[in-house]
Amino acid sequence: EDKVVQSPLSLVVHEGDTVTLNCSYEVTNFRSLLWYKQEKKAPTFLFMLTSSGIEKKSGRLSSILDKKELFSILNITATQTGDSAVYLCAVVRLKETSGSRLTFGEGTQLTVNP
Amino acid sequence: DGGITQSPKYLFRKEGQNVTLSCEQNLNHDAMYWYRQDPGQGLRLIYYSQIVNDFQKGDIAEGYSVSREKKESFPLTVTSAQKNPTAFYLCASSPPQGYEQYFGPGTRLTVT
Repeated sequence: EDKVVQSPLSLVVHEGDTVTLNCSYEVTNFRSLLWYKQEKKAPTFLFMLTSSGIEKKSGRLSSILDKKELFSILNITATQTGDSAVYLCAVVRLKETSGSRLTFGEGTQLTVNP
Repeated sequence: DGGITQSPKYLFRKEGQNVTLSCEQNLNHDAMYWYRQDPGQGLRLIYYSQIVNDFQKGDIAEGYSVSREKKESFPLTVTSAQKNPTAFYLCASSPPQGYEQYFGPGTRLTVT
């Protein structure tokens, strides 16, 4: 059975801190790994990682994938209160007969205090 | 402007009633998905559709049904057979040749 595990499940930091969120996976026919940010309602897409060792960066957020060790990390530097959200990791696997599908982890609840 | 819409935002039903949740997209995406999210949990796939008039069961399809008569629309019916229907329901779509999925604002369903 496919599995995506995120850690920690929750994290409380102060503004300005740097955080690292982890995502490990066991998925057959792995294609890509995606990170989403969810604030109360719809998840918004952050990154898609397909190749090992190549960092994706957007402002204070960055992410990298290790396909050998089957994990990814999401880093947020100089955190702000607006970064408070649930961060979801999802893995794409290719089904032979019916396209791709995502398997999600439980998410990491990040709280940034002023 | 383009996007995914879900309606209603909040829905209340009595036990034993079927209820249909709407999902529409004008992004010209072929693939559409329905997820369920329970408090403190990630998203679980209910049904998905890669093309009009075709759909597949996800991991938790029991007690749910879908249709895909038009590319833009993928309604989900929560039937009375669903044991624990109270949850947050999210619809998503993905572009041709793309793996990332884009989500609608969600419908929070409460069944009492």
